[in-house]
Amino acid sequence: QLVLTQSPSASASLGASVKVTCTLSSGHSSFAIAWHQQQPEKGPRYLMKLNGDGSHVRGDGIPDRFSGSSSGAERYLTISSLQSEDEADYYCQTWTTGIQVFGGGTKVTVL
Amino acid sequence: QVQLQESGPGLVKPSETLSLTCTVSGDSISSYYWTWIRQPPGKGLEWIAYIHYSGSTGYNPSLKSRVTISLDMSTNQLSLKVNSVTAADTAFYYCARMGKIYGGVDYWGQGTLVTVSS
Repeated sequence: QLVLTQSPSASASLGASVKVTCTLSSGHSSFAIAWHQQQPEKGPRYLMKLNGDGSHVRGDGIPDRFSGSSSGAERYLTISSLQSEDEADYYCQTWTTGIQVFGGGTKVTVL
Repeated sequence: QVQLQESGPGLVKPSETLSLTCTVSGDSISSYYWTWIRQPPGKGLEWIAYIHYSGSTGYNPSLKSRVTISLDMSTNQLSLKVNSVTAADTAFYYCARMGKIYGGVDYWGQGTLVTVSS
């Protein structure tokens, strides 16, 4: 069964970096994912598509402070030079034929 | 630039049918895959269904028996119907674009809140 697992929360200081992790279920370690950001009281926004080899393509207007990387079944979103507006929920998403799956989301707090 | 705008009743009675429309502007719906996703207030995202103009569709197994997704090429709109709704169907409903090749969401609508209550 295709499942994405995310830690519920992460935090870092203003101006620092934070790394958010999304783990693919067993047997799906090569799958690509997408990362999405949801700021408080807003709808989600597409950040990037992240492949299993770590290559990624950011969405239109997404600053390069947002980057992605991969290691085995782990997919990472790193936010550098944290700003107050980066405080948000971050969701990963993956897919296979006929099915789309979202992770439970990670709440990032900027200290 | 593509724009997606959801519309429909904000309040639906239990056991009735929830019907939503997503109007797409700035691009043709025949070029992409399209999907509906919902989010109960304060909770995470739940995928509902996707569709491509070729006729390809996919449904969340937990909702499949109650959900219909469709495209109207003449109006460039995407639609969603959910039958026999209960309070558990109360959520923000988002339409979204999935790209020209089957994959993840690459553009989101603003969302619309649907409350199921008598």
